[in-house]
Amino acid sequence: QITLKESGPTLVKPTQTLTLTCTFSGFSLSTSGVGVGWIRQPPGKALECLALIYWDDDKRYSPSLKSRLTITKDTSKNQVVLTMTNMDLVDTATYYCAHRRKRNYGSGSFDYWGQGTLVTVSS
Amino acid sequence: DIQMTQPPSTLSASVGDRVTITCRASQSISSWLAWYQQKPGKAPKLLIYKASNLESGVPSRFSGSGSGTEFTLTISSLQPDDFATYYCQQYNSYPLTFGGGTKVEIK
Repeated sequence: QITLKESGPTLVKPTQTLTLTCTFSGFSLSTSGVGVGWIRQPPGKALECLALIYWDDDKRYSPSLKSRLTITKDTSKNQVVLTMTNMDLVDTATYYCAHRRKRNYGSGSFDYWGQGTLVTVSS
Repeated sequence: DIQMTQPPSTLSASVGDRVTITCRASQSISSWLAWYQQKPGKAPKLLIYKASNLESGVPSRFSGSGSGTEFTLTISSLQPDDFATYYCQQYNSYPLTFGGGTKVEIK
C-alpha cells in the first residue's frame, strides 16, 4: 500500500525559505521509473506542478519557479525534500506530494497523493 | 509550456445525467493525458490515464476519450458522489501541466 505524507511549517514570512518533506511508504525511490512530484494549489485555484525527482536523480522543475526551487531525495529514509526560497504572499497554497511512474514504466500519471499541507505566507 | 484548457469552469447537472467534460491542449500530446477528481479539502484522485484507461477501483461510469489536442471525460450517469472538480493533466512533455478545472455542481 502506497502512502505519502507532507510535513513542514504551516506559516512562513515573506522572503523566508520554505522546506517541505514528503515521507512515503509502499514503494522505493530506487526502483526504475519511479518518481515523486510536488504539486501546489492556491486556495480556490488550479493545480500546478512544481518539481519532480526520479529514481535516477533526474530532476524537473517548473520553468517559472526554477530559480527558487530545489528538490532532493533520501532513498534510505524514504523522503523527498522541496525547498522554495524567497517566499511571497502569492505562494500561499496547499502543497501536495505525489507518486509517479514515468510513462514507459507505468501509467505516467500521479496515481498516489499525500493529503496535502496548507502553507500560509504572511508577515 | 503546453497549455491545458477546460471550458467551462462550472457545469450544472442533475443526478442521472450524462456529463461530458472537455479538455484541450495547446499542441498535440498524443494520448498522454490524465483526469483527476477533487473534492473540497481533499487531494486529487486519479480517474483516467493515457486518455482512456480507467484507474483500478474507479467506477465504470467514468470513461475518457480523445487524442492529439481534444479530450473528453464522460460520466455516463451522474451520481451524488460525483459532484466535484475535475482536472486534466498532460504528461507528454515537461513541464507537466494541469487544466484549470471544471466544477460539476448540482443543477
